[in-house]
Amino acid sequence: DTAVSQTPKYLVTQMGNDKSIKCEQNLGHDTMYWYKQDSKKFLKIMFSYNNKELIINETVPNRFSPKSPDKAHLNLHINSLELGDSAVYFCASSQTSNTEAFFGQGTRLTVV
Amino acid sequence: AQTVTQSQPEMSVQEAETVTLSCTYDTSESDYYLFWYKQPPSRQMILVIRQEAYKQQNATENRFSVNFQKAAKSFSLKISDSQLGDAAMYFCAYRSRLGQNFVFGPGTRLSVLP
Repeated sequence: DTAVSQTPKYLVTQMGNDKSIKCEQNLGHDTMYWYKQDSKKFLKIMFSYNNKELIINETVPNRFSPKSPDKAHLNLHINSLELGDSAVYFCASSQTSNTEAFFGQGTRLTVV
Repeated sequence: AQTVTQSQPEMSVQEAETVTLSCTYDTSESDYYLFWYKQPPSRQMILVIRQEAYKQQNATENRFSVNFQKAAKSFSLKISDSQLGDAAMYFCAYRSRLGQNFVFGPGTRLSVLP
């Protein structure tokens, strides 16, 4: 029933590791996003895909690589994790012709 | 680029009272959407209310209403009859009608006092 689901909810890993976060939406939306929420709760866009095409790619280290195998899925792979990558990562989706974004429950990433 | 400002990092309100959260934004566009999202401690982002810029009428959703002043680029949220469950971070957000990005303000932490 969940509209936008992310896995895992929590991720604790050591510096230097590579990890992935998966996101799926069952709303039939054509646009998906990755947002990063830092320790001060500030939400910042990282990437956006529209129909599997990358349309927003903010200033993010190239250790972060999004992949969209189809328009219902948008995964985030992070290489060589650093302490500063610790944050909550939100996946979201919207429909171009509609207005609001629907968010997943977030993934709290802790790098130790 | 559009920016969204929330000048109140923290607010508190007594249960059953009314509180207003402020939001201002900067844009050169005339057609856009504005939103208020709520983030409780569960961290789920929940849409509270939305406003379409071309509509002059202020949006309302039960106890939540907005005061949209397009010329002043102001979009405040009024919560009436505040409840303990309203305690959360509240984010104001902007989306251009043609754009794909949602731009968020820094948030206001609302406490509700019993």
